[in-house]
Amino acid sequence: ETGVTQSPTHLIKTRGQQVTLRCSSQSGHNTVSWYQQALGQGPQFIFQYYREEENGRGNFPPRFSGLQFPNYSSELNVNALELDDSALYLCASSPFNYNEQFFGPGTRLTVL
Amino acid sequence: KQEVTQIPAALSVPEGENLVLNCSFTDSAIYNLQWFRQDPGKGLTSLLLIQSSQREQTSGRLNASLDKSSGRSTLYIAASQPGDSATYLCAVMLNFGNEKLTFGTGTRLTIIP
Repeated sequence: ETGVTQSPTHLIKTRGQQVTLRCSSQSGHNTVSWYQQALGQGPQFIFQYYREEENGRGNFPPRFSGLQFPNYSSELNVNALELDDSALYLCASSPFNYNEQFFGPGTRLTVL
Repeated sequence: KQEVTQIPAALSVPEGENLVLNCSFTDSAIYNLQWFRQDPGKGLTSLLLIQSSQREQTSGRLNASLDKSSGRSTLYIAASQPGDSATYLCAVMLNFGNEKLTFGTGTRLTIIP
């Protein structure tokens, strides 16, 4: 059974650019959640996708958007990057209404 | 708004000692609580999941307890080893079907050989 995978591992962008991060959920999992973890902080919930629809959103501006595909993989898009967007972005998957989440290794985004 | 606090922020103990990590949350109406381990720059590894109806869970040298009414959980690590050095995070889920996790800021644990 393949776990949650994320790509790329690391990414460097400049302020104002746009970025797309990708996540492949664990086999059999139809729900994907995204979290942002700033240095020294706990992860913060960005949003969740279930069956290609957004199923809850945290306190993040609209320039953070996402997609979920029919195979349940997901993308996180961030427009107009700001310096404070530098963080580790974590993806977690689970079967819907199952209460344990399984996390990927994360993507480290640096905004210069 | 649910807030999760972990104290201390950092802890160093000699190898072989038993230790306890603390987690507190402000809203006791949680559905479950999960403990994670995070190595530097890496993702999260789930250690233990405690349902709101449970008092504790055990896995090997780890034991997690939950006191929902007081808004507290502890993670007990027995016979600590240098490989246990990592940041430990607790997270709560508020409602069944609402899979948003609210995390604490973590305790950075260092085991001294």
